[in-house]
This record gives sequence, C-alpha cells and structure tokens, in this order.
Amino acid sequence: QTVVTQEPSFSVSPGGTVTLTCGLSSGLVSTSSYPSWYQQTPGQTPRTLVYSTSTRSSGVPDRFSGSILGNKAALTITGAQEDDESDYYCVVYMGSGIWVFGGGTKLTVL
Amino acid sequence: QLQLQESGPGLVKPSETLSLTCTVSGGSISSSSTYYWGWIRQPPGKGLEWIGSIYYSGVTYYNPSLKSRVTVSVDTSTNQFSLKLSSVTAADTAVYYCARIYVSGSYDWGQGTLVTVSS
Repeated sequence: QTVVTQEPSFSVSPGGTVTLTCGLSSGLVSTSSYPSWYQQTPGQTPRTLVYSTSTRSSGVPDRFSGSILGNKAALTITGAQEDDESDYYCVVYMGSGIWVFGGGTKLTVL
Repeated sequence: QLQLQESGPGLVKPSETLSLTCTVSGGSISSSSTYYWGWIRQPPGKGLEWIGSIYYSGVTYYNPSLKSRVTVSVDTSTNQFSLKLSSVTAADTAVYYCARIYVSGSYDWGQGTLVTVSS
C-alpha cells in the first residue's frame, strides 16, 4: 500500500516562513490527488486549512498557502505565529474513493 | 451550519464489534453527490487514519488495511450514518471522527469520540 510521507517535525522562528511537504512512497502527488491540509492542536478536532491543492478553507488566514512543488504537495506558512504551533496533516486521494493521510508534521514555533 | 455528532459505546471488549453512529444536523445526508460521509480515527498520540466512506446512494469505499472488518452504512430516513468494526483489539483504541468529505478534499469534522478496547 502506498504511504503518504510528511516530515515528522519542523521548526520555524516567529515571523519566519516554513514549507511542509506531502509526498508518496511511490509516485507523485498532483492536483488530481486533491491534496489537502489539516491543522490539529492537542485535544482538538482537526481544522481544514487548504483543500484541492491550494484552496483555503473559509476563515483561514492568507499566510497559509498550498501548492505542488515538484512531485509533492506543499503547505507554506508565511510569517509564522506562535499559535501556528500544531500538528499538520495532509491527505491525498488515491482513486477509487480511497484517501490516505500522511503521518503528520509537528511544527514548533520558537 | 452543518453539525456532525458521533455516538456509541466508549468501551468495547476485545474480539467484539465496535459500533458508532454519526448524526447529521443542519443539512440532509442525501442532498448532494459532491461529498461522501466518512470515518477517520486517531489512536492516542498518533496520526489520523482514514477508515472508509459512503455516498448517500450506499456505495462504500474502505481502507484496504481495514476492509475485511469494516462496514459503513447510511440511513437517509434518520439522517445518520454508521460504522461497524469487527474483531477489535487494543490497536483499535482511538478517537473516532465522522466527517463530511467533499470530493475536493475538504472535510467537515465531527468532534470525535474516544473508543477504548479493553476487557
């Protein structure tokens, strides 16, 4: 079974820019994979940030942006804030109605 | 505003069947073909795992690694959909979320319910 890969952890300074990525153990992530990104703080329900590669969900600040970089999906946070410290998950559509989540990236802002 | 609420036992014995229901309010479960109704779980301290989903028509899709044990069903008359996971073990202990899953990848999440598998 194809595995969706994410960096286990990342660190960014307040005000800095960070790009998290979402790839496949075999193959490439494209817009046809509808890669989407979710933010989750401990004990909370995930929040949809970006879906269908680059569409921001309602109410999501424009410092969050999604794209395809090479063969991966990417979530870029520009001007990181302390309350961006969270776990970030991507999900990829594999076809035939099946979605697969990545293992998540723990983002530290310090 | 759509709301999804999971319900079901918080404790299930090993080898038994986990059963959860998601009640949808603020919208009809059968109103559109642009989204599915699905289940996702998260073991304590771990990541998210997509379990399966269903169209209002009843067509289902399952995670291949769970397919032999999972059944997702929908009841349009009560605006609910359900999850059954058979032969559970401690590894099935998790927070279970129901969600509306747009084909574009946007998820509307329920608040989640913790199910513990223990004797």
